[in-house]
Amino acid sequence: GENVEQHPSTLSVQEGDSAVIKCTYSDSASNYFPWYKQELGKRPQLIIDIRSNVGEKKDQRIAVTLNKTAKHFSLHITETQPEDSAVYFCAAKTVGGTSYGKLTFGQGTILTVHP
Amino acid sequence: KAGVTQTPRYLIKTRGQQVTLSCSPISGHRSVSWYQQTPGQGLQFLFEYFSETQRNKGNFPGRFSGRQFSNSRSEMNVSTLELGDSALYLCASSPAGTSNEQYFGPGTRLTVT
Repeated sequence: GENVEQHPSTLSVQEGDSAVIKCTYSDSASNYFPWYKQELGKRPQLIIDIRSNVGEKKDQRIAVTLNKTAKHFSLHITETQPEDSAVYFCAAKTVGGTSYGKLTFGQGTILTVHP
Repeated sequence: KAGVTQTPRYLIKTRGQQVTLSCSPISGHRSVSWYQQTPGQGLQFLFEYFSETQRNKGNFPGRFSGRQFSNSRSEMNVSTLELGDSALYLCASSPAGTSNEQYFGPGTRLTVT
């Protein structure tokens, strides 16, 4: 089955710096890659996603890049703010076939943005 | 639109008991997936339902089961609770069809003593 590795497990940055979180996946059939942000005691919130026919996607201060050949994708947050502090999860999914609904998650990255 | 709701939010049960958790998806969403979140194992897929049918199941024992009703609301049941079942149980709804996005509910925090 699919396996998703996420690095680093913790990331500490100063306000205004950039943050990068990287994930690798094992199943070449995976073609949908969402990122979730989970604040303490709250639900995971979908912040951005990318499909395998796209190499990069941006939404204001966040961007995701995908390298299908290397089977890795990354989340980039620019101009970080204290409210970006949270746990970030990457995930992978195969659209189609029998993999209905199943997101395989990375282990999460605790991002701390210091004012 | 209202978001995904889950009830109850918190639950304390004793080993050997059973529990039923409920999830109401976003209006118009027909797919509901369930996940278990623990500090050690992270987020793990339990099962997915669409049009009252279980289409996919994760690697959990048969004590974990679920169902979906005609209004897309879903329930999951855990029988013969074990201490290791203590976790945050999250459901996620999706429009299904060509859309892949999943939106999570607030979760049910289950503590087994």
